Amino acid sequence: EAQVTQNPRYLITVTGKKLTVTCSQNMNHEYMSWYRQDPGLGLRQIYYSMNVEVTDKGDVPEGYKVSRKEKRNFPLILESPSPNQTSLYFCASRTGQSYLPLHFGNGTRLTVT
Amino acid sequence: QKEVEQDPGPLSVPEGAIVSLNCTYSNSAFQYFMWYRQYSRKGPELLMYTYSSGNKEDGRFTAQVDKSSKYISLFIRDSQPSDSATYLCACTPFGAAGNKLTFGGGTRVLVKP
Repeated sequence: EAQVTQNPRYLITVTGKKLTVTCSQNMNHEYMSWYRQDPGLGLRQIYYSMNVEVTDKGDVPEGYKVSRKEKRNFPLILESPSPNQTSLYFCASRTGQSYLPLHFGNGTRLTVT
Repeated sequence: QKEVEQDPGPLSVPEGAIVSLNCTYSNSAFQYFMWYRQYSRKGPELLMYTYSSGNKEDGRFTAQVDKSSKYISLFIRDSQPSDSATYLCACTPFGAAGNKLTFGGGTRVLVKP
């Protein structure tokens, strides 16, 4: 089944404790992206990657890191999480042009206390 | 001001009614317009996309774009309880700059049996 898989689904952590949210897609998509979703603010892009070893900032990149060493994986790293990073995070992938469907994972709900 | 604005709702309608959703946007460079549907605890999934101005129909769903007024709409005919979800509009320019989708905040729709 074609899918984007995020892990974990739920994560509670404390301020300053480094964490990684994994994202993997099995559709051979070139483009991958991370979004955060907050009430009233909608989906905001954190980082995106056009292909292996190519990453770029989205609208809200502060406090996050990403890497794209393999085509299928695009982990999101929070080196020193803070409470304002409490959010629902989505990984997405697509191929080709920007109007083609973004395939989303089922989300990771992160709480930072 | 956000680039894409959407009434958060909730919009409550009886089963069988027409659901009317809309977004306004401010960026004249936007050329592609999309509607995503998001069920609770799931990632968004693409419903429809349109290019430039005009209408597009797919089953019970009709998307309209009026670039002159920067207004996009989605109509759902013969609404069903299974249509209860959050609907997100998204816009993107054409070309290299179109690597990013800009989302509205989403409208929550409740279709009551």
